[in-house]
Amino acid sequence: EVQLVESGGGLVQPGGSLRLSCSASGFTFSSFSMNWVRQSPGKGLEWVSYIDTSGNTVYYADSVEGRFTISRDNAKNSLYLQMNSLRAEDTAVYYCARDSVVVDGFDLWGQGTLVTVSS
Amino acid sequence: AIQLTQSPSSLSASIGDRVTITCRASQAISGALAWYQQKPGKAPRLLIFDASNLERGVPSRFSGSGSGTDFTLTISGLQPEDFATYYCQQFIGLTFGPGTTVDV
Repeated sequence: EVQLVESGGGLVQPGGSLRLSCSASGFTFSSFSMNWVRQSPGKGLEWVSYIDTSGNTVYYADSVEGRFTISRDNAKNSLYLQMNSLRAEDTAVYYCARDSVVVDGFDLWGQGTLVTVSS
Repeated sequence: AIQLTQSPSSLSASIGDRVTITCRASQAISGALAWYQQKPGKAPRLLIFDASNLERGVPSRFSGSGSGTDFTLTISGLQPEDFATYYCQQFIGLTFGPGTTVDV
């Protein structure tokens, strides 16, 4: 089955760190660029970060630049998001999303993992 | 950074209605736009890519149009399963619009 499964969410104190993982299956993970997208409770979607197929090109939203790091391990079919210096406003469901190879669209999404930043 | 606005922010509709949602970009993005549907507690689902192309498996009552700065998503004949929030996304900077909620 073609799917993405996120893990690693949880409760963390302000200033703390957390590492999210996204496990891919059912498709050739190394052929697709990947993204993290988040959604704060009751709010809209916010794109967070992008990584190309090799991991050599990455982009971040201004809101997380310098605090979050995206990476991937193609041998393990896995995507990661290292989140440091977490703030209350980082509280959200975090989704990993596959970037379609030939068209403009995120064509496969995980179910999301909830990150709560609170003391 | 390119900003997206959507209108309306919410709308009420009935089964069978024709619904149109507008997405406007702060600068021209050619056809680099996608539309998603999201239901409560679920991940978004890609409906339209490249502004006007229907994703595989999406019912043909959904259609997209536009280019440059102005785009529309149309649902022709609203069905019960279409009550949801709809987001546009531009693919120059990957940002999303604020969303449009379609309810009864």
